[in-house]
Amino acid sequence: SQQGEEDPQALSIQEGENATMNCSYKTSINNLQWYRQNSGRGLVHLILIRSNEREKHSGRLRVTLDTSKKSSSLLITASRAADTASYFCATVPNSGYSTLTFGKGTMLLVSP
Amino acid sequence: DAGVTQSPTHLIKTRGQHVTLRCSPISGHKSVSWYQQVLGQGPQFIFQYYEKEERGRGNFPDRFSARQFPNYSSELNVNALLLGDSALYLCASSLDWNTEAFFGQGTRLTVV
Repeated sequence: SQQGEEDPQALSIQEGENATMNCSYKTSINNLQWYRQNSGRGLVHLILIRSNEREKHSGRLRVTLDTSKKSSSLLITASRAADTASYFCATVPNSGYSTLTFGKGTMLLVSP
Repeated sequence: DAGVTQSPTHLIKTRGQHVTLRCSPISGHKSVSWYQQVLGQGPQFIFQYYEKEERGRGNFPDRFSARQFPNYSSELNVNALLLGDSALYLCASSLDWNTEAFFGQGTRLTVV
């Protein structure tokens, strides 16, 4: 079953704008990971945020985590056409097993 | 350093046939997981192996099986293929259960 639910399902912006994607989940987690996928190929790991962290940065990416609301957001600043892809959040439970549970993803289109 | 490698990249099989997909994890990674991704959905967890032992199994029928070898590479086997098994099969490796999971480019399986 899918635990993460990304919002919006699709997002269309212009180059240079910021893109924000949200993710909600249902159960307690050890960590949450964000991935990018281009055209149905492999998933590229973007960032991991642990349950005791509230915010993390990596280059143009900023991820926040609110465990009380069971939600996370991914902000891409100064977007580029090359950022066009599907973005997924995935949660790892506290079970001791690295089973990622994915949402359905957000399709981001960045127009030049 | 090589990433996660999967073979083959594409495969076409007939209903009822059997298929074996292969995965080599990143050097030093002892955890390997398999995921199925159908069009328009996020990946669904199939199996996780750690130190050659099965540590988790998703909601898939017994036609799906897997194993991990002493060198930590892994195989996913699917028997009695159905049209609904057509999907992108992804392999992920991680250092430990709660660390970043890195994915291969996937095997695109088409069942006709």
